Amino acid sequence: GAGVSQSPRYKVAKRGQDVALRCDPISGHVSLFWYQQALGQGPEFLTYFQNEAQLDKSGLPSDRFFAERPEGSVSTLKIQRTQQEDSAVYLCASSPGGLYGYTFGSGTRLTVV
Amino acid sequence: EDKVVQSPLSLVVHEGDTVTLNCSYEVTNFRSLLWYKQEKKAPTFLFMLTSSGIEKKSGRLSSILDKKELFSILNITATQTGDSAIYLCAVDNYGQNFVFGPGTRLSVLP
Repeated sequence: GAGVSQSPRYKVAKRGQDVALRCDPISGHVSLFWYQQALGQGPEFLTYFQNEAQLDKSGLPSDRFFAERPEGSVSTLKIQRTQQEDSAVYLCASSPGGLYGYTFGSGTRLTVV
Repeated sequence: EDKVVQSPLSLVVHEGDTVTLNCSYEVTNFRSLLWYKQEKKAPTFLFMLTSSGIEKKSGRLSSILDKKELFSILNITATQTGDSAIYLCAVDNYGQNFVFGPGTRLSVLP
């Protein structure tokens, strides 16, 4: 597609519910990143994929967070047993790799009630 | 720990004013510094800076990097209400991710 597409745009989850957030990167982009942006703060790194390989997951805040990119294109960020502190905008970005700026999606705003 | 600091955190100006946004950083392995404009949810790319002293310019926006003093500035001249946004500074630290600053929230009043 022309840009990075994320779905859903908005998600309200009850505390304890599992959620799955989807990211469709730009076709052919090798690198894919997930960021979490709390209200009033800059994005914070969660995890990074190069093709289907998850090369860095050091930013995932707990073992309730899980990300996958099985075929090296679409990625899913899953949050199990959501907590209120998980409420944030989750941004996905992709890049062709190398010294290129990343293109961000519009994000998914998750609200846990 | 890698860190990016932006100042001011918030700024209110009137149309026609010129603003300067600051970004300083401490990272282990610097590769590039990027500026993004975030209006609603998706940060949009403005500039990538890799070399000191070379100004990047796009219309009323310009930016420059000082790798010795570890900072960058983003200038916006003749501001317009459409410039109202959060301006994010990020550093690519070869760590396969970006380190973002907290952003500067710019409000341009008519």
